Amino acid sequence: NAGVTQTPKFQVLKTGQSMTLQCAQDMNHNSMYWYRQDPGMGLRLIYYSASEGTTDKGEVPNGYNVSRLNKREFSLRLESAAPSQTSVYFCASKSRRDRVNYGYTFGSGTRLTVV
Amino acid sequence: AQKVTQAQTEISVVEKEDVTLDCVYETRDTTYYLFWYKQPPSGELVFLIRRNSFDEQNEISGRYSWNFQKSTSSFNFTITASQVVDSAVYFCALSEARSDYKLSFGAGTTVTVRA
Repeated sequence: NAGVTQTPKFQVLKTGQSMTLQCAQDMNHNSMYWYRQDPGMGLRLIYYSASEGTTDKGEVPNGYNVSRLNKREFSLRLESAAPSQTSVYFCASKSRRDRVNYGYTFGSGTRLTVV
Repeated sequence: AQKVTQAQTEISVVEKEDVTLDCVYETRDTTYYLFWYKQPPSGELVFLIRRNSFDEQNEISGRYSWNFQKSTSSFNFTITASQVVDSAVYFCALSEARSDYKLSFGAGTTVTVRA
């Protein structure tokens, strides 16, 4: 099925460990996003990529890095995980040409726990 | 500054009651979109409705309706004759032209529908 695929779905890390969250979309969308969701705070933008080859910081970028590997893939890396990064992470994509809908497609989320 | 405010943290109703979710947004842009998303207990984000800033016409779609008022910067959402399956967290979101249409989410309102 077309859409946004995130891996893994669940992950437990120890403080200080590193890991990369993977995201891929097969809709030929230009823009991709990483959000984190914490209780009582909604979803907050970590990083985004408006097009292949570009990345920009969002609202809460500290402690994260991203790579827009190609048009399909946008990965999020935690270099040294901290308990404060325990959250649910969502990847999303959007087509810049879709000026009528400006609809986002979200992945199913990655639940990350840092102990 | 919070661009989207959902003042209601939790709402609990009995099945068949109507539920109205409040959303107040803040923007200086003239071109923007407003969204409502549903997040059921399974965790995925489900797109419900979207309006653009040039269309204040309020509509009804099945059991969902919305009331968009630019004069009060509000975009309220109503579920008519609620059902247990409507139990979820509901997010209001804003995307603005000047921020390249990135989504800014409210904190969410948890709706519990009791049988």
